[in-house]
Amino acid sequence: GAGVSQSPSNKVTEKGKDVELRCDPISGHTALYWYRQSLGQGLEFLIYFQGNSAPDKSGLPSDRFSAERTGGSVSTLTIQRTQQEDSAVYLCASSFSSADTQYFGPGTRLTVL
Amino acid sequence: GENVEQHPSTLSVQEGDSAVIKCTYSDSASNYFPWYKQELGKRPQLIIDIRSNVGEKKDQRIAVTLNKTAKHFSLHITETQPEDSAVYFCAASEAGNQFYFGTGTSLTVIP
Repeated sequence: GAGVSQSPSNKVTEKGKDVELRCDPISGHTALYWYRQSLGQGLEFLIYFQGNSAPDKSGLPSDRFSAERTGGSVSTLTIQRTQQEDSAVYLCASSFSSADTQYFGPGTRLTVL
Repeated sequence: GENVEQHPSTLSVQEGDSAVIKCTYSDSASNYFPWYKQELGKRPQLIIDIRSNVGEKKDQRIAVTLNKTAKHFSLHITETQPEDSAVYFCAASEAGNQFYFGTGTSLTVIP
């Protein structure tokens, strides 16, 4: 079946612009996660959605970052007033439930000029 | 919250030798421990996982061991091959919570 998909695959933007990154999880997966990975670095947790529960936003680095998950499926990560330090690969993952196998999407490579 | 530490950060082995990567965790409530392999430019992919009711799990050349008392778990790769070269991440989680990842181990298998 289809895996996790993300769009766009690459995004180049100018400092100060807003960007939206999209994640389509595997159908039926109730848990969805966003991570950020800078070049050569580890996985930085951003936000976690589980079913209809309030999301765990504890990893969002600033109030410029927000995310939503509509209808328990597609998720959008929004970064407002982008800064150069926001440049990274943004990875989305989904799992059938929490504490279960995570399947990662291919990521969106964001470059802020 | 949970804290996962991973060692070593880099590891070089000769082809055919074994490689061992260790992770420790702090929260005794964590009950699911996956290992991910990330090749350069690719997404992380699950290679093996273990739950807290099991002490060891094997899949061909890969095995994971879990010591709940000491709160550590390890990845063992035997008969390493050049295609095993990648970055490996451990993680810990419990139901209802996010995943906590280690900082990664860059494994190089020298032919």
